[in-house]
Amino acid sequence: EPEVTQTPSHQVTQMGQEVILRCVPISNHLYFYWYRQILGQKVEFLVSFYNNEISEKSEIFDDQFSVERPDGSNFTLKIRSTKLEDSAMYFCASSEGKANTEAFFGQGTRLTVV
Amino acid sequence: LAKTTQPISMDSYEGQEVNITCSHNNIATNDYITWYQQFPSQGPRFIIQGYKTKVTNEVASLFIPADRKSSTLSLPRVSLSDTAVYYCLVGDIHSGGSYIPTFGRGTSLIVHP
Repeated sequence: EPEVTQTPSHQVTQMGQEVILRCVPISNHLYFYWYRQILGQKVEFLVSFYNNEISEKSEIFDDQFSVERPDGSNFTLKIRSTKLEDSAMYFCASSEGKANTEAFFGQGTRLTVV
Repeated sequence: LAKTTQPISMDSYEGQEVNITCSHNNIATNDYITWYQQFPSQGPRFIIQGYKTKVTNEVASLFIPADRKSSTLSLPRVSLSDTAVYYCLVGDIHSGGSYIPTFGRGTSLIVHP
């Protein structure tokens, strides 16, 4: 079964440093997403990406965040200057993008900012 | 976006049937109802989706009454490994026209031996 893969599984970084989280979506999917989940809280939408540009973003996705699809397979989330409150699980997902189709989620990257 | 309401938590025992009900009073005509499951430290996983009446797959059943203002996820004969958070999602078309799965708090199901 095809799956979304994320690397690394765990990243520890110092406050103020830049991090890049990587994802390989399912190959024939057109929509890509990043979500985050702070420990004990709900899964929060950050951004969606379609046709090489951001299609939707939440208020969480401010100027410190950026996304990129540098080649035909990878999808990355960059956090420019990490803060303690950025510590969370970050999930990448992909879907065919049509309404009412399922989204496939990766296993997540646990980001710890110290 | 249709707002959903589900119980915060439920407890059950191995071998029992579990029914989790979700209210979605302002569901739109074109909205489907989708359920996801999330284990600790893992990404959400699609379980089942339906529009009306009943849908069944190898994992669960989904019951949707005629008015579609609620839905019930039914898990037959649960085991310890069904302990997870279950999310009900309805109608995730955002203003820009994109489909964005949007999660609420979900229902935390604990299955006891």
